[in-house]
Amino acid sequence: DGGITQSPKYLFRKEGQNVTLSCEQNLNHDAMYWYRQDPGQGLRLIYYSQIVNDFQKGDIAEGYSVSREKKESFPLTVTSAQKNPTAFYLCASSIDGTSGYEQYFGPGTRLTVT
Amino acid sequence: AQKVTQAQTEISVVEKEDVTLDCVYETRDTTYYLFWYKQPPSGELVFLIRRNSFDEQNEISGRYSWNFQKSTSSFNFTITASQVVDSAVYFCALSDRAGSYQLTFGKGTKLSVIP
Repeated sequence: DGGITQSPKYLFRKEGQNVTLSCEQNLNHDAMYWYRQDPGQGLRLIYYSQIVNDFQKGDIAEGYSVSREKKESFPLTVTSAQKNPTAFYLCASSIDGTSGYEQYFGPGTRLTVT
Repeated sequence: AQKVTQAQTEISVVEKEDVTLDCVYETRDTTYYLFWYKQPPSGELVFLIRRNSFDEQNEISGRYSWNFQKSTSSFNFTITASQVVDSAVYFCALSDRAGSYQLTFGKGTKLSVIP
């Protein structure tokens, strides 16, 4: 089955620690995205990548970092510089990122930082 | 700048009632794309429909239908004969060239279908 996997589903960390969220897709999509969702809010774009070894900042990139070394993988690191990291994080992919194609989403990771 | 407004924060209906979720968008581009996604309690967003700006035909898929009106910049979503499984948060989104074709989401409408 083709799809997007994110792990883990729930993640707990102490304040001051960096944490990396995994996102893998086997849809052969070129573009991948990371979003953050806070309670009662829409999705806000953190980073996106249209091609391997290239990525761009979204609306709220501060305190986050990404890499795109393989087409299938787009991990997100939440650094200690992110002031309010507790949120629901969603990864998505699309055929390409330049023509308004629909995005398909993974199941998400709920990060809690205390 | 691109903007999507979903004025209805929460809606409750009794099972089998019809319900319409409103979506109003803003864009300066003539070529753009509109989307609806469903987010059930599990959290994963499920893609429902994509519509480009040159296609104003209404679309029907089972109990779901969409009404796209460029004159009022609206892309409304109607569920006919609602069911409990329709309970979810529904998001409308816009993609246009000015936004590098990234998705701009509305804040969502939480639909509760009461048995």
